[in-house]
Amino acid sequence: NAGVTQTPKFQVLKTGQSMTLQCAQDMNHNSMYWYRQDPGMGLRLIYYSASEGTTDKGEVPNGYNVSRLNKREFSLRLESAAPSQTSVYFCASSDPWTGGLSADTQYFGPGTRLTVL
Amino acid sequence: SQQGEEDPQALSIQEGENATMNCSYKTSINNLQWYRQNSGRGLVHLILIRSNEREKHSGRLRVTLDTSKKSSSLLITASRAADTASYFCATETGANSKLTFGKGITLSVRP
Repeated sequence: NAGVTQTPKFQVLKTGQSMTLQCAQDMNHNSMYWYRQDPGMGLRLIYYSASEGTTDKGEVPNGYNVSRLNKREFSLRLESAAPSQTSVYFCASSDPWTGGLSADTQYFGPGTRLTVL
Repeated sequence: SQQGEEDPQALSIQEGENATMNCSYKTSINNLQWYRQNSGRGLVHLILIRSNEREKHSGRLRVTLDTSKKSSSLLITASRAADTASYFCATETGANSKLTFGKGITLSVRP
């Protein structure tokens, strides 16, 4: 049971390049999230997917697109990377529909450290 | 915009002492959660308190919630060097379990 996995762990891009960050969870969770973490800013929600087949914007969606490929996988795409997108990106999942003590708890991946030059 | 604001921003204590961290928020919540992040790692959930609860315990952790003051506190008793990490409060205010995180508190526990 790996929990939430993210690839790659590190990436360096040049301005204007594109890339896709991959996230997968093996906990059968319905909801998945993408955050970015910048120094002194905490975590900010980029996009989320409440269930398979749905995606919605979070607080900072500009410059990003997402795909909920299936229940397990939720990818984040940068179409034309900018230096302002240099950050650490975290994927998380949860299952608010199960009820019980673990409902609403989010489980995080280890992060992708992205530098855009 | 940040819903939760933690206080202090940084805290340094001696091993064995208690650490108290505070979180204030602006709007009504469904629940408030505390997460921990070790350097270079992802966040790990510590404890969740719902809006109709006032206090919860989990091991050396005690969290309180005062909805009239829109504030919460996290107490770590008998701290250990291994508790050194950043701690974040997060509030859930609507559906879909979306969380809004504060900027975090850096806790250093000196051996």
